[in-house]
Amino acid sequence: GAVVSQHPSWVICKSGTSVKIECRSLDFQATTMFWYRQFPKQSLMLMATSNEGSKATYEQGVEKDKFLINHASLTLSTLTVTSAHPEDSSFYICSAKGLNTGELFFGEGSRLTVL
Amino acid sequence: KQEVTQIPAALSVPEGENLVLNCSFTDSAIYNLQWFRQDPGKGLTSLLLIQSSQREQTSGRLNASLDKSSGRSTLYIAASQPGDSATYLCAVRPPGGGSQGNLIFGKGTKLSVKP
Repeated sequence: GAVVSQHPSWVICKSGTSVKIECRSLDFQATTMFWYRQFPKQSLMLMATSNEGSKATYEQGVEKDKFLINHASLTLSTLTVTSAHPEDSSFYICSAKGLNTGELFFGEGSRLTVL
Repeated sequence: KQEVTQIPAALSVPEGENLVLNCSFTDSAIYNLQWFRQDPGKGLTSLLLIQSSQREQTSGRLNASLDKSSGRSTLYIAASQPGDSATYLCAVRPPGGGSQGNLIFGKGTKLSVKP
């Protein structure tokens, strides 16, 4: 099946710093990628939809200026958590949709811990 | 508002046993339903995707059924193995437009298969 890679898989940072997470589709082109957040023992929640070459679409309640999303190519989307705070600590997962499939392929997730 | 519920939240079975995981959703208008597996601290692996017009899908020891009218899906695992231990997530995709990544996830069932 299609492979989606996330990097880094885990990161620890100090409060107030910014952290960038990458999501790559390794063997297919993805015009659309999605970013989710998962708190412990909670459901995955969609944060935003990332479209190649255009601005991301954010879900209600997700701050655009805090979670910067860039989708500069058909194989790469990045999520930058700006001025991170401890409450931003979570598991961030991306998924990618191929050009002609209704199925999503998920990355392995990135665990962010903000001290 | 669509809500997805998975029961039980946790399940422990001896190796070799057949088991059923349940998923229910409040709005029968769905585009498709997908079952995922999530290992601790990892991303999601898609197991089975059932389109709204289908009633079941099979892959190896896994069989997923969909009864859209009653808002239910089951994931049947035959001859369970310790390697099946993971959290199983059910997700529905709303019909029509909007973000295709807007999957509504349940909180999952944590399965433990004892040797």
